[in-house]
Amino acid sequence: EIVLTQSPGTLSLSPGERATLSCRASQSFSSISLAWYQHKPGQAPRLLIFGASSRTTGVPDRFSASGSGTDFTLTISRLEPDDFAVYYCQQYGSSPPTFGGGTKVDIK
Amino acid sequence: QVTLKESGPALVKPTQTLTLTCTFSGFSLRTVGMRVSWIRQSPGKALEWLARIDWDDDKFYSTSLKTRLTISKDTSKNQVVLTMTNMAPVDTATYYCARTYDYNDFYFDFWGQGTLVTVSS
Repeated sequence: EIVLTQSPGTLSLSPGERATLSCRASQSFSSISLAWYQHKPGQAPRLLIFGASSRTTGVPDRFSASGSGTDFTLTISRLEPDDFAVYYCQQYGSSPPTFGGGTKVDIK
Repeated sequence: QVTLKESGPALVKPTQTLTLTCTFSGFSLRTVGMRVSWIRQSPGKALEWLARIDWDDDKFYSTSLKTRLTISKDTSKNQVVLTMTNMAPVDTATYYCARTYDYNDFYFDFWGQGTLVTVSS
């Protein structure tokens, strides 16, 4: 199965700063088959991005994503207080679907 | 409005069978392309996909857990049930159910909040 490695494990930033999160796959897969989720404690994970770069309905445009092959990036252009959370990538181009270990974005 | 909610015991003993129920609203598992999966997260570990059931009753399981898992659905009650046999402390995790609504792409557009299951004697 494909292993996804997210880095960094924790990103300490201030509101207004730019966050760049990385997701690297152990092998190449259908490059559009990647999703990103936001997860806050006690809440359901929230789908942000599917198809590697498509924002789901209601996701602000400060969230953007890109990548192909084995390297993918989620960027939050200007962090708002509501954005401090854990972010996971997930590939669905190869069975079984697998997730990265997450990047925690916390307030500096 | 799509919602999913997991329910089940918070504590199970080793060797027991765990039964979890996902009760959902805002969609039907009769709809073509609709699927519900179970996913778990053990403390300090990545999310792990466990099983999926599709609108046409196709079922898919994690290779490593296949012998212990059974997924089923009750379309009339809008529920999906997961059973996991022979529970062990390593199965302590938060268990989530999540929806996929796509014929080809298996990402999860709605999730439940999860239910924590602790395996301990």
